[in-house]
Amino acid sequence: QSVLTQPPSVSAAPGQKVTISCSGSSSNIGNNYVSWYQQLPGTAPKLLIYENNKRPSGIPDRFSGSKSGTSATLGITGLQTGDEADYYCGTWDNSLSAVVFGGGTKLTVL
Amino acid sequence: QVQLVESGGGVVQPGRSLRLSCAASGFTFSAYGMHWVRQAPGKGLEWVAVIWYDGSTKYYADSVKGRFTISRDNSKNTLYLQMNSLRAEDAALYYCARNGGNDYFDYWGQGTLVTVSS
Repeated sequence: QSVLTQPPSVSAAPGQKVTISCSGSSSNIGNNYVSWYQQLPGTAPKLLIYENNKRPSGIPDRFSGSKSGTSATLGITGLQTGDEADYYCGTWDNSLSAVVFGGGTKLTVL
Repeated sequence: QVQLVESGGGVVQPGRSLRLSCAASGFTFSAYGMHWVRQAPGKGLEWVAVIWYDGSTKYYADSVKGRFTISRDNSKNTLYLQMNSLRAEDAALYYCARNGGNDYFDYWGQGTLVTVSS
C-alpha cells in the first residue's frame, strides 16, 4: 500500500491528452514539492517533472505538472506510442521523514 | 556527463550481508545528496535511504531501518549501501540516484540486482 495514490492504469489514443493523478496528504504533497518519473520498459526511471511543474532540460513541453492542495497531476498531450511507460509521483513525507512514491500508473497508448 | 554505476549485487542467502557500491562521475559528487531506491521484480519504486552531501545526515525507510546503512566516500566519489540481515523481501533492483534539489532524483544509475534465496 503506497503512501501516494495513483490510478493503476490509464489509456488514450495517439495524439490525445491524458492526465495521471497523485493523491496524498498534508504530511507529504500538501507541504512539499512533487516530482514525476517515467520508466520505459526495462530501463531506469527518468525525471520528467520536478518542484511540481518544472521540466528538466530535454523534456518536451507535452509533459506538464501541477499541484493543488494534497493532490498533483501529470499531463501529457500529443500522445505518442513512445510514451507507453510506467509513471511515478514522488515527494518527501514530513511525518515519515522519508521519500514516498505512488504505486505507479501504466500508460497505454492505444 | 553525469554517470552513476552500481555494483555489488548478487545472490545471497537470507540473513547474510551484502554491500552495494555506486561510482559517480561527471559532477562534483561531494556537493550532492544521494539516494538508494529499489524496485522488486514487477513492482513499483520503493525509496530506501538518503545521505546528505557531506554524510552528516541520513534517513531510512522503515522497512530497512536498523539493517541497512548508507554511507559515502567523497574522496572516491562513491556511495555505498551496507545491507545486513537480508530477507526475501529485500530482493530487488537497487538504483542509486542523485538528489537534484528538493528531494527529487535528477539522475539514476542502471541498477544492480539483489536476489535473496537459500
